[in-house]
Amino acid sequence: GAGVSQTPSNKVTEKGKYVELRCDPISGHTALYWYRQSLGQGPEFLIYFQGTGAADDSGLPNDRFFAVRPEGSVSTLKIQRTERGDSAVYLCASSLGQTSYERQYFGPGTRLTVT
Amino acid sequence: GIQVEQSPPDLILQEGANSTLRCNFSDSVNNLQWFHQNPWGQLINLFYIPSGTKQNGRLSATTVATERYSLLYISSSQTTDSGVYFCAVRISSGSARQLTFGSGTQLTVLP
Repeated sequence: GAGVSQTPSNKVTEKGKYVELRCDPISGHTALYWYRQSLGQGPEFLIYFQGTGAADDSGLPNDRFFAVRPEGSVSTLKIQRTERGDSAVYLCASSLGQTSYERQYFGPGTRLTVT
Repeated sequence: GIQVEQSPPDLILQEGANSTLRCNFSDSVNNLQWFHQNPWGQLINLFYIPSGTKQNGRLSATTVATERYSLLYISSSQTTDSGVYFCAVRISSGSARQLTFGSGTQLTVLP
């Protein structure tokens, strides 16, 4: 009965570098979401996958951000040319994928620090 | 987009006291979840409550969807209840599935 897992738990990188953040959803969950939480704020939506495809990427802030989910399970969020403003906690959530209003289950997050 | 407002923004309690946190939202929703973010940053599911009332131990929640608000009650608070409480909703209309979060209530329970 594992929950959503995310790796790494912490990532420190230098400005301009490339980073990948990984999310393992709950087994059997076809819907997967990425959110970003800046200090002192609530999480904000980035992208939603249904199966392998990105059904809604309207929350991605710019083209430096990209996410994939090639086999419909694990997802990777990729950030190119990182900037100090990208520092935040990146949260992944998953749900069954059967209805639009079902409960979402969140992982522990990856804290990204760009120096 | 939908607006989610939580009040109060900050709350300091003595251990053993009761509290009520409020979440107002500006549009019809069909998903509402309450979370507790502990001091280590982990977002813990408390309730999935798009309508009605639920209880889990010392915590209970009520959502009145027709009046666009939800309340989270914490009774006999403990120091481990400290952290940020978030309300998050999903708008009923349209195809978007993401949750929109409020800005949270920072709760501090003093021993």
